[in-house]
Amino acid sequence: GQQLNQSPQSMFIQEGEDVSMNCTSSSIFNTWLWYKQDPGEGPVLLIALYKAGELTSNGRLTAQFGITRKDSFLNISASIPSDVGIYFCAGQLRNSGGSNYKLTFGKGTLLTVNP
Amino acid sequence: DAGVIQSPRHEVTEMGQEVTLRCKPISGHNSLFWYRQTMMRGLELLIYFNNNVPIDDSGMPEDRFSAKMPNASFSTLKIQPSEPRDSAVYFCASSFEDSEAFFGQGTRLTVV
Repeated sequence: GQQLNQSPQSMFIQEGEDVSMNCTSSSIFNTWLWYKQDPGEGPVLLIALYKAGELTSNGRLTAQFGITRKDSFLNISASIPSDVGIYFCAGQLRNSGGSNYKLTFGKGTLLTVNP
Repeated sequence: DAGVIQSPRHEVTEMGQEVTLRCKPISGHNSLFWYRQTMMRGLELLIYFNNNVPIDDSGMPEDRFSAKMPNASFSTLKIQPSEPRDSAVYFCASSFEDSEAFFGQGTRLTVV
């Protein structure tokens, strides 16, 4: 089945620094999503990417859908303490019938921001 | 909208007991997903439904696990009999067609 490799597994940074994390896949997706999970909560969607090569921003977050459709990255600029959490990438491949909306998740990147 | 609602938030049970987790998707959503999260394996898709019909249950670990969606506003995930290795956080998520999936707050299950 499809597998996602997300890196790094964890990051420890100082407040104000920029952060970059990425995901690679053994096969293609036609949608890439980035989620953030706070302790005791479910994942919350940050950014969705629908086209190869697409670059999308959401405030201090920027994500790109790789041109090969097998990778994506997420950048966070000028990190703040509330950025702490686990960030997940997720890929989706809708089948030709249009009813397969299965998401495959990466293992997550644990971000710690020191004030 | 209240979002995806899961119950209970926490469940502690003894090995061998039956466990039922419940989920109410967001009104109007027609896809529902059950995920299991552990430190070792991350977020794993167990099963998902589209228009109340199970589309992919290949992630269901074994026959001890079963899921139902009797109508568009309710789903259950049942484990019978439960085992300590089933301890995890179980998430339900819903979406409309292929739009973004919204997650509930999860049920933390501990089997002792």
